[in-house]
Amino acid sequence: DGGITQSPKYLFRKEGQNVTLSCEQNLNHDAMYWYRQDPGQGLRLIYYSQIVNDFQKGDIAEGYSVSREKKESFPLTVTSAQKNPTAFYLCASSSRTAANRYNEQFFGPGTRLTVL
Amino acid sequence: AQKVTQAQTEISVVEKEDVTLDCVYETRDTTYYLFWYKQPPSGELVFLIRRNSFDEQNEISGRYSWNFQKSTSSFNFTITASQVVDSAVYFCALSEGRTSGSRLTFGEGTQLTVNP
Repeated sequence: DGGITQSPKYLFRKEGQNVTLSCEQNLNHDAMYWYRQDPGQGLRLIYYSQIVNDFQKGDIAEGYSVSREKKESFPLTVTSAQKNPTAFYLCASSSRTAANRYNEQFFGPGTRLTVL
Repeated sequence: AQKVTQAQTEISVVEKEDVTLDCVYETRDTTYYLFWYKQPPSGELVFLIRRNSFDEQNEISGRYSWNFQKSTSSFNFTITASQVVDSAVYFCALSEGRTSGSRLTFGEGTQLTVNP
């Protein structure tokens, strides 16, 4: 059963703590992405990675960090430097064509992070 | 910079009515890709359609149809004979050729409620 898994589904954090959100895909996709969604708003890109051991900042990377040590995994760490981390976090992946273009993104079920 | 505007924040219809969700985009690229995603209450984004900038053919898939018009920079989505299960937030998104189609910019979404 191919897909994207995210864990945990709900996460509670105290202020000042770092937390890591997991994202795994078994679709053999080259690219992976992290988005943040705030209530009533669209998705904003945090980080993305098109290849193992390489990643790029998105539009709102401050206060976040990522790693891409394996093709199937792209964990996101929300650091204490992120001022307002309470949000819904979505991970996505996409395949690459022979012409080096990227196809549509498929999304995981999301992690809802709440800072107490 | 690329931008996607979904002017309709919320739409409410009665079952079996037709409904059109508007999407207007801005980009300087001549090659770009347009997408529609559905986000049901569970939170996971479901891919509906992808359109390339050089293909203006309208598309129909069951009760769903899409009208792509480059002259007005619009990519509207129509649901015919709406059903309660269509209730969700719908997002329009854009990616540009200069990023190989990898970075998505989302609109803020339209909350569609279909009442029985």
